[in-house]
Amino acid sequence: DTEVTQTPKHLVMGMTNKKSLKCEQHMGHRAMYWYKQKAKKPPELMFVYSYEKLSINESVPSRFSPECPNSSLLNLHLHALQPEDSALYLCATSAWRGSFYEQYFGPGTRLTVT
Amino acid sequence: DQQVKQNSPSLSVQEGRISILNCDYTNSMFDYFLWYKKYPAEGPTFLISISSIKDKNEDGRFTVFLNKSAKHLSLHIVPSQPGDSAVYFCAAVRGGSQGNLIFGKGTKLSVKP
Repeated sequence: DTEVTQTPKHLVMGMTNKKSLKCEQHMGHRAMYWYKQKAKKPPELMFVYSYEKLSINESVPSRFSPECPNSSLLNLHLHALQPEDSALYLCATSAWRGSFYEQYFGPGTRLTVT
Repeated sequence: DQQVKQNSPSLSVQEGRISILNCDYTNSMFDYFLWYKKYPAEGPTFLISISSIKDKNEDGRFTVFLNKSAKHLSLHIVPSQPGDSAVYFCAAVRGGSQGNLIFGKGTKLSVKP
């Protein structure tokens, strides 16, 4: 099973709203990631969690707040977003397997900020 | 400075023929390289990866070749199918890092029937 699930699939929110994106994996991977992707661009890393602890924050504005409640779940809490934050938000998990490294992405949440 | 480069923004191939997607990198510290396929508004789909200690890895129709001295890798798709039409991203990661991938800008592959 190499599945990473994300909910919701689509989200429209106003600039004063608070919402959360959710990500779940059952591969036993201990590293989880949030990426942001704009159209026709590669994914940009936002946060990395390793063993449920935040290990990398790529200078992301505080209106984005990640949370890792357990090894299977990753949340991204959103508050007071701007229209330019509209993008595809991707969750990913990874594992080092001997001579292989694999990172799997979820289907993404298409976020529109109005 | 772009550490992973995909210099061809697009590639068009006839169905049944070979598709060759290229990627160059500048950082000799990268230990693993990954290829992803992406459709619009969907998450990237992991295709295949290769360790820097290997020069080839094969999985079905997909083969990745690594030329470490040239800092170049390529993804071969044989035979190409119309369903392969998508944007392909090359990505690299350092061993011992947090696993944060460095992506190229992508190559849009069109496979024509």
